Amino acid sequence: GAGVSQSPSNKVTEKGKDVELRCDPISGHTALYWYRQSLGQGLEFLIYFQGNSAPDKSGLPSDRFSAERTGGSVSTLTIQRTQQEDSAVYLCASSLQGGDTEAFFGQGTRLTVV
Amino acid sequence: AQSVTQLDSQVPVFEEAPVELRCNYSSSVSVYLFWYVQYPNQGLQLLLKYLSGSTLVKGINGFEAEFNKSQTSFHLRKPSVHISDTAEYFCAVRYSSASKIIFGSGTRLSIRP
Repeated sequence: GAGVSQSPSNKVTEKGKDVELRCDPISGHTALYWYRQSLGQGLEFLIYFQGNSAPDKSGLPSDRFSAERTGGSVSTLTIQRTQQEDSAVYLCASSLQGGDTEAFFGQGTRLTVV
Repeated sequence: AQSVTQLDSQVPVFEEAPVELRCNYSSSVSVYLFWYVQYPNQGLQLLLKYLSGSTLVKGINGFEAEFNKSQTSFHLRKPSVHISDTAEYFCAVRYSSASKIIFGSGTRLSIRP
């Protein structure tokens, strides 16, 4: 596709349920990032995939959060046993390899835990 | 620790006035610096980036930023703002070619007519 695609665009879930958020990066981009944007807050780094290297998971807030990237392309962010504080917009971005490359962002998934 | 600081959470300015949005990062030998903009109800897009070379970087919509290594700053400026510049602006840094991009907490720019 032309840009980073995220699905669903909106998700309402009950507290305690598991959710999966999907990200389709730009074709050919080897780097993929997940961020969380809460109301009035900046972008909180969650996880970073770069090619075949081990992902940087240093931003995952708890062991309820996990992410995988299959075949170096599509990525899924999973939140288990959701809590109300998990409510936020989850943003995915992708980029080419290299420090000078910009990240291209998707429109995000707005997660609401009720 | 690697970090980016945007001291101003909100900056109100009058239309056609100049503006400066401040950004400081934790010191490092080499960095890649970015400014992103998020217009209301839209996704993030790149405004400009500093990689190396000239310390003054020009971006889209008349914005520019100056890299100051001694002060570890990358402030964003525009000589005359327009209503359409109303948005949230994020400073970001990458500390090496194979590392994540770290974002600041953002600065909300509001333009008064």
